[in-house]
Amino acid sequence: EVQLVESGGGLVQPGGSLRLSCAASGFTVSSNYMSWVRQAPGKGLEWVSVIYSGGSTYYADSVKGRFTISRHNSKNTLYLQMNSLRAEDTAVYYCAKLRSDGSGSYYNVWGQGTLVTVSS
Amino acid sequence: DIQMTQSPSTLSASVGDRVTITCRASQSISSWLAWYQQKPGKAPKLLIYKASSLESGVPSRFSGSGSGTEFTLTISSLQPDDFATYYCQQYNSYPWVTFGQGTKVEIK
Repeated sequence: EVQLVESGGGLVQPGGSLRLSCAASGFTVSSNYMSWVRQAPGKGLEWVSVIYSGGSTYYADSVKGRFTISRHNSKNTLYLQMNSLRAEDTAVYYCAKLRSDGSGSYYNVWGQGTLVTVSS
Repeated sequence: DIQMTQSPSTLSASVGDRVTITCRASQSISSWLAWYQQKPGKAPKLLIYKASSLESGVPSRFSGSGSGTEFTLTISSLQPDDFATYYCQQYNSYPWVTFGQGTKVEIK
């Protein structure tokens, strides 16, 4: 069964750091496009970052320079290192596997999400 | 950035109703559009991709249509399990994908 399980969320002070993990099973992370998507409380979905199978990475302007996406191939795990956290980064963070479809890719498998709260 | 606008924001309907949700893109995205269903406290679930292709395992009462800038998600006969929030997502400008703001389908 294809599954994603996130961990690492919690309460952090503004300016602090946190690393999220997403353990995959049933498929190989390094062979797929993988992404982080977040959802602020009561709000809609926002794309955060993506890592391609070839290793290229991309970020939303709102997190560029502060967040880093990476993967550990032997652990089959995706990560999101979040630095210089701000109150507006408070959200549930989902990791998601993408399926390619001609022009681009969409999310066909999602984790259950992990809540990050940035507050003093 | 391509902006995605859904309407309505909230929809009240009864079991058995035919329901239509609209998603408009700020510029043409061809057919590179997906629809997701999200229930409270749960992750989104893929329903439709490439504007009109039904994801495996999704009931056939869900259908999608459109191309260019205007798209619709239709539920032919609303079931109790369908009360949820629905999001459209463009992937024409990949990797910079964007979502609509969501449409909440409530019980009338």
